[in-house]
Amino acid sequence: GENVEQHPSTLSVQEGDSAVIKCTYSDSASNYFPWYKQELGKRPQLIIDIRSNVGEKKDQRIAVTLNKTAKHFSLHITETQPEDSAVYFCAASPPNDYKLSFGAGTTVTVRA
Amino acid sequence: GAVVSQHPSRVICKSGTSVKIECRSLDFQATTMFWYRQFPKKSLMLMATSNEGSKATYEQGVEKDKFLINHASLTLSTLTVTSAHPEDSSFYICSASLAGLSRKLFFGSGTQLSVL
Repeated sequence: GENVEQHPSTLSVQEGDSAVIKCTYSDSASNYFPWYKQELGKRPQLIIDIRSNVGEKKDQRIAVTLNKTAKHFSLHITETQPEDSAVYFCAASPPNDYKLSFGAGTTVTVRA
Repeated sequence: GAVVSQHPSRVICKSGTSVKIECRSLDFQATTMFWYRQFPKKSLMLMATSNEGSKATYEQGVEKDKFLINHASLTLSTLTVTSAHPEDSSFYICSASLAGLSRKLFFGSGTQLSVL
C-alpha cells in the first residue's frame, strides 16, 4: 500500500516568515495529493489539493508543489500569521480511489 | 462546501458497554465513507471504508467484530464500538467523499471516546 512520510514533525516560525512542509510517497500510481489543516480538537479541513497532471498550485498565501519523478510534494505558507498555527497533514490517493494515506502531521507554531 | 455531521462529539462510558457514533452527510449523498482513529498528536489511521448497501472493508489489524460499521443509506454511516475497553479510548472521526471528479474528502467533527 501507499506510504506517506512527512517532515518536519514540528515547525516554529516567526510571524511573517514562510513555512515549508515536505512529504514523500511510495506509490508512483498515486495521483491526488490533498493537504489538511487541523486545529486542536477540530476536524481536518482541506486547504489545498493538487493532481499529478499539475506541478504547482497556489491559493493566496498557500502553495503546493509536486515532483512526480521524485515522488514528493510540498506545502508552502507565506507571510505566516498566528492563525496558521495548527497541525498540517499531507495525504496521497491512488487513481479511482477515495481512500487517503496520511502523513504523520506537522505541528506549525507561528510566533507573534 | 459539503457538510459532514458527526455525533456525539464526546462520550464517556463504562468498560464493557457499546457506543454508537453517527456520521451524516448533510447536503450530499455519500456512497463511501471512511472511519479513522486518531491518537493525541498523531496522524489519522484509517480503520475501515464504509460502502452504502454492502459490508465495510476493514484495514489490516482492525477487528470487524469490535468495530461494527453500518452504512444503511447514502447519507448515514454508523460505527459501533462493542464492549468498549479503556484501550479503545480515542478520537474517532469519519469522512465522506464528494463523488465525481473532485475526489475531495470532508470530515466530521470527530468523537472523543473515553472508556472508564
